[in-house]
Amino acid sequence: LAKTTQPISMDSYEGQEVNITCSHNNIATNDYITWYQQFPSQGPRFIIQGYKTKVTNEVASLFIPADRKSSTLSLPRVSLSDTAVYYCLDIGGSGGYQKVTFGIGTKLQVIP
Amino acid sequence: GAVVSQHPSRVICKSGTSVKIECRSLDFQATTMFWYRQFPKQSLMLMATSNEGSKATYEQGVEKDKFLINHASLTLSTLTVTSAHPEDSSFYICSARDRGSEAFFGQGTRLTVV
Repeated sequence: LAKTTQPISMDSYEGQEVNITCSHNNIATNDYITWYQQFPSQGPRFIIQGYKTKVTNEVASLFIPADRKSSTLSLPRVSLSDTAVYYCLDIGGSGGYQKVTFGIGTKLQVIP
Repeated sequence: GAVVSQHPSRVICKSGTSVKIECRSLDFQATTMFWYRQFPKQSLMLMATSNEGSKATYEQGVEKDKFLINHASLTLSTLTVTSAHPEDSSFYICSARDRGSEAFFGQGTRLTVV
C-alpha cells in the first residue's frame, strides 16, 4: 500500500510555476521525502529529496513543513517537456533494505 | 546521480519461452535491488526486493517460480520471466539502492509475449 497521496492530474500553461502537493500521513522518522519524474516507457528519474524545510536544486524546489505530513514540489516556469507523471515517495534513510513503493502519481500536462 | 543500466530495453518472445532481464548498477554497489512491473497508464507495482547474496522477497500475489530473481553480486540482478504468456507483457523496471536514501532506476524493459 502506498504511503503517500497526491492529485491524479494537473494542467498548466507553459511558463507558469507548478506546485504539486503530496500528503505523507504515515511518514516515519527516518524517511526522506523523494520526488521522481517519469516519462512514458522510461524508468523514473530522481528529481529532488529532502527531510525538512526547503531544498532547491537546478530543476525544482521542495518545501516540507515542520510536521513533515506534506510536501510541495515546485517546478519553475514549466515547458512542454515537463509533461510527465510525478511521484512523491517516502524512502527510508536508515538503510537500503526498506522497500520503495509508489502511489498513483500526478500526471502533469503542460499546455502551450 | 548514480546510473542503473537495464538490458534489454525491448524484447519480444514467444509464448512458453523464458526471458531474462539484467539490471546493473554501474558506479555504485547496490545493496538492495527492486523489480517493478508497470501496465499502461498505471503506477509502478513492486514485485520483489532482493538483497545481494540472499533470496528475494516477493510481494503478495507475485509468483516466485514464475519470476525468478537472482542478485548474485553487488552490481547485478536478473529477473527471469519463465514460461511467459501474453498476460506477462508489461514494462519491467529495476531499481537499486546502496545504504543511502535514494533509489535509482533503470530505463525499463518492454516485454511483449506473442
